[in-house]
Parts: sequence; structure tokens; C-alpha cells
Amino acid sequence: DIQMTQSPSSLSASVGDRVTITCRASQSISSYLNWYQQKPGKAPKLLIYAASSLQSGVPSRFSGSGSGTDFTLTISSLQPEDFATYYCQQSYSTRWTFGQGTKLEIK
Amino acid sequence: QVTLKESGPVLVKPTETLTLTCTVSGFSLSNARMGVSWIRQPPGKALEWLAHIFSNDEKSYSTSLKSRLTISKDTSKSQVVLTMTNMDPVDTATYYCARTTIFGVVIRYYGMDVWGQGTTVTVSS
Repeated sequence: DIQMTQSPSSLSASVGDRVTITCRASQSISSYLNWYQQKPGKAPKLLIYAASSLQSGVPSRFSGSGSGTDFTLTISSLQPEDFATYYCQQSYSTRWTFGQGTKLEIK
Repeated sequence: QVTLKESGPVLVKPTETLTLTCTVSGFSLSNARMGVSWIRQPPGKALEWLAHIFSNDEKSYSTSLKSRLTISKDTSKSQVVLTMTNMDPVDTATYYCARTTIFGVVIRYYGMDVWGQGTTVTVSS
């Protein structure tokens, strides 16, 4: 299976900060990479698909980039509602896998 | 409005078989650009993809759980069913179903774009 590794595992930041989360695949996955946001007690929400395409209704401060094995999720200016856990997920292989998550906390 | 709702037992005993049902509305399971995935999340841990099924009955399973999982759909009832055999306490988790949309025309990108609220399953004797 393709292993997805996120870094960092946790991150403290302030409102207004620019934040970047990294996801690395154990083999090339082209652009078959999605990002999700999950708040405590809630279901995940799709933010980015195909590595860089913004899902409908998601604020433009979220952006994704990368291809092959290295990907990033960037939040340009953190808002209070952005503090959550973020997951990457690959759909390159027929057996999909998630990263271990990055918890974004308020500094 | 697209919704998905998971249903099934709250508590199962070790070695029993778990059967979960995902009832969807607002889209059809016969839509060629849509499918349904199952994902679980043990308490305090990461998401784990389990299986998916598409309109053409294409199915895929997690490598580690493949021998224990079966996914099926009943298009007329708008339901997708996941069964997991030989349940163990480590299978205690919140189980989600999610609509899986195929984005793109030339290249098919998959994304889980609408999720159910999840159902919590505890495995204990």
C-alpha cells in the first residue's frame, strides 16, 4: 500500500498566520491527492481534490500544490474556524490511504 | 440536498459480524460519476479508508481488512451495506460513509465530498 506521511503532526499558530502542512507519499501518486479538514466530533470535510483544485464552497485562503510524492496545503491567513485536524488522502491506487493527520492549534 | 446516514448496532461482541447500512438521498447510486466509500476512525486516532463501491459495481477494499469486508449496494433502496466479520475490540470506532465523486473528464480524480454524521460502534463482551 501507498503510505502517506504528514508533517508536522501538530502545529501551533495564531490568527492571521500563514500555515503550510506537508504530505509525502511513499511512491509517486501524480496529482491524486485530496485534503480534508476535521473538527472535533464532526465528519471530515473535503477542501482540495486533485492536489490543487478547491472544492466548491471552500474559502480561497486554502490552497494545495504538489505532484508526484510531495504535496502541501497552505492556509494564507488563519481564521478562528480553521483550527482543526487536517488529513491528506491518496486515490492513485485502488486501495486508498490517509495520512496520520496534522492538528492545528491556537497559539 | 445530498445526505448520507449510517445505521447499525452500537455494540457488538467479539467474533460477531458487523453490518452497517448507508442510506443516501439527493443523488442516485446509478450515477456513473458517483460512488460510496466507508471510512472509520478509532477514538483519538486517524481516519482509515475501508472500502468503496461505484455504480458499475466496481469495488475495492483496504489491504489489511480485505478478508473481513464485503461491500454491496441496493440501488433501488439507495443503500450501501458494509459487513465486517470477526469483530475485535480494536475495531471500536466511528464508522462513516461518504459520497465519492469522480472529478474531471479526461483524468478521473476521486474525492469524498459529502459525509454522513458517522455511527459509533463499540466491540465488547
